[in-house]
Amino acid sequence: GESVGLHLPTLSVQEGDNSIINCAYSNSASDYFIWYKQESGKGPQFIIDIRSNMDKRQGQRVTVLLNKTVKHLSLQIAATQPGDSAVYFCAENISPIIQGAQKLVFGQGTRLTINP
Amino acid sequence: KAGVTQTPRYLIKTRGQQVTLSCSPISGHRSVSWYQQTPGQGLQFLFEYFSETQRNKGNFPGRFSGRQFSNSRSEMNVSTLELGDSALYLCASSLRSGAGVMAGELFFGEGSRLTVL
Repeated sequence: GESVGLHLPTLSVQEGDNSIINCAYSNSASDYFIWYKQESGKGPQFIIDIRSNMDKRQGQRVTVLLNKTVKHLSLQIAATQPGDSAVYFCAENISPIIQGAQKLVFGQGTRLTINP
Repeated sequence: KAGVTQTPRYLIKTRGQQVTLSCSPISGHRSVSWYQQTPGQGLQFLFEYFSETQRNKGNFPGRFSGRQFSNSRSEMNVSTLELGDSALYLCASSLRSGAGVMAGELFFGEGSRLTVL
């Protein structure tokens, strides 16, 4: 597959458990962050986003936490299911939203594996 | 509503050749971005187009170029291909109604997988 040879951090969890995926970002001026999920053979799929003026945002079964002090982002997935198996990427937008442009910088990704 | 469509899905080229990849955004989306994904470098931003104008550019050599047409469809071209250009090239579109539109409203296609021999 497309990830052959890619050394990714991996996370294995039991089905039904909660998953926490972590990400460190680099640009303290970034004001917008996004989590994407990429399944094998597919393009990245938007999961959840958060602005820099927020610490936490919740979606359906997912929560994103932002700690600007240490430039850390995390994605929590509740009650992990087999369909959650994928590579998860965090991304920061390094173009100011006010300018109407966007330029995403992606993390290296974390491979989430669900054990039955 | 159809998603982002990229063609071709797979292609093989040899060093020195050039390649053109095509992207049709979601209907009504005016912004198209291109990303390169490789095992070693991950996902890297190439460029973004909005209303036929390049608004943002990544750190890639001039061999990588792109354009956007009046119907928002976009193409990217890589000339004088190198082995290291082998990658999955992803196109993403967004509505881009103006300032304040979140980058999260970015919808990716399945990608064009380029192999350079």
